[in-house]
Amino acid sequence: GIQVEQSPPDLILQEGANSTLRCNFSDSVNNLQWFHQNPWGQLINLFYIPSGTKQNGRLSATTVATERYSLLYISSSQTTDSGVYFCAVAGSGGGADGLTFGKGTHLIIQP
Amino acid sequence: DTGVSQDPRHKITKRGQNVTFRCDPISEHNRLYWYRQTLGQGPEFLTYFQNEAQLEKSRLLSDRFSAERPKGSFSTLEIQRTEQGDSAMYLCASSAHLVPRQFFGPGTRLTVL
Repeated sequence: GIQVEQSPPDLILQEGANSTLRCNFSDSVNNLQWFHQNPWGQLINLFYIPSGTKQNGRLSATTVATERYSLLYISSSQTTDSGVYFCAVAGSGGGADGLTFGKGTHLIIQP
Repeated sequence: DTGVSQDPRHKITKRGQNVTFRCDPISEHNRLYWYRQTLGQGPEFLTYFQNEAQLEKSRLLSDRFSAERPKGSFSTLEIQRTEQGDSAMYLCASSAHLVPRQFFGPGTRLTVL
């Protein structure tokens, strides 16, 4: 199956800082999503981005499918951005709609 | 609230008992997914439905696990003869057919004693 690697595994930043989270995947994908799992365990969908660039407020994401990576940018971090960020993908094979998740990047934003 | 809901939120059971969880997806979504998440790991895919049809099952879904979505609306996940290794958070997600962006429920945390 597809392998998903996220880096860095842990990141500690001061409020107001910017960060870039990376997701590498081992095979072609037709579905890539970024999620934020807050400290209460709720998974929040940030982006559906199989290719290209999208922006939503302080967050933006870019996927370069031909080079098998995606980046999540967080600008002007706030303490509420703390939590675990997951990249999840599904392959280009038929019926492959179940997402494969990476291990996540654990982000802590200090005030 | 029109998001994905799951019931119960917490379940404690003894080894060997059967448990059943329910998921109600976002009403206009025809795809429904079940995942399992253990501490420190990302969610792992278990199975997915399009309407009432179960279209994909992971190798993780042993024969003690069964899922149904009888009328293409809510879904149930049953675990028979629970084992301590089944302790995890069970997550449900739903998506629309044309835009496979998945939205997750709050999860059911299962503890097997």
